[in-house]
Amino acid sequence: DTAVSQTPKYLVTQMGNDKSIKCEQNLGHDTMYWYKQDSKKFLKIMFSYNNKELIINETVPNRFSPKSPDKAHLNLHINSLELGDSAVYFCASNRGNTGELFFGEGSRLTVL
Amino acid sequence: AQSVTQLDSQVPVFEEAPVELRCNYSSSVSVYLFWYVQYPNQGLQLLLKYLSGSTLVKGINGFEAEFNKSQTSFHLRKPSVHISDTAEYFCAVSYNNNDMRFGAGTRLTVKP
Repeated sequence: DTAVSQTPKYLVTQMGNDKSIKCEQNLGHDTMYWYKQDSKKFLKIMFSYNNKELIINETVPNRFSPKSPDKAHLNLHINSLELGDSAVYFCASNRGNTGELFFGEGSRLTVL
Repeated sequence: AQSVTQLDSQVPVFEEAPVELRCNYSSSVSVYLFWYVQYPNQGLQLLLKYLSGSTLVKGINGFEAEFNKSQTSFHLRKPSVHISDTAEYFCAVSYNNNDMRFGAGTRLTVKP
């Protein structure tokens, strides 16, 4: 049983398209995150949801819209994809009392 | 605001040699500190964490780290590395349960 699972694992698409990445966690955690890892491996937090409520929204273009239908799911929708959106996107969830994050395996997005 | 600095972007070492990966943080409040490891094409896994108590923390795979409050450091050490330790290592800081920030990562390469 995968604790934090993301789909798809790989995504190749053209500039201007719209795409979504889905994330589910079966750990019973209340908080979920999206991180972006660029080609230099730098990890940047994008969004955080606690019990379906947005609590962290970093400086991310409006083209990125997270959606949390319930506390076990956090999806990421990206409109009008640009070359610079190419990255690995990681979903994570949080064991609240210690701050420890559990990560998915990542979704590698390539925009051509 | 909290931030994390990993002082070395790359650390090459020979197998069975000791290694230290350096991490400094800045925060005006108490923090939790973490080290994560990322193997190629995988998500991040927790190596160890400091929440409170003993400043010397032992983690998985023979790694340990020492929290030094006066120097605001949390360096990661291993007395004897293996080829399989080759990976990207991330230091992270969290000052509450919902916001974790990562350093830029240190690429550890273990050579035979």
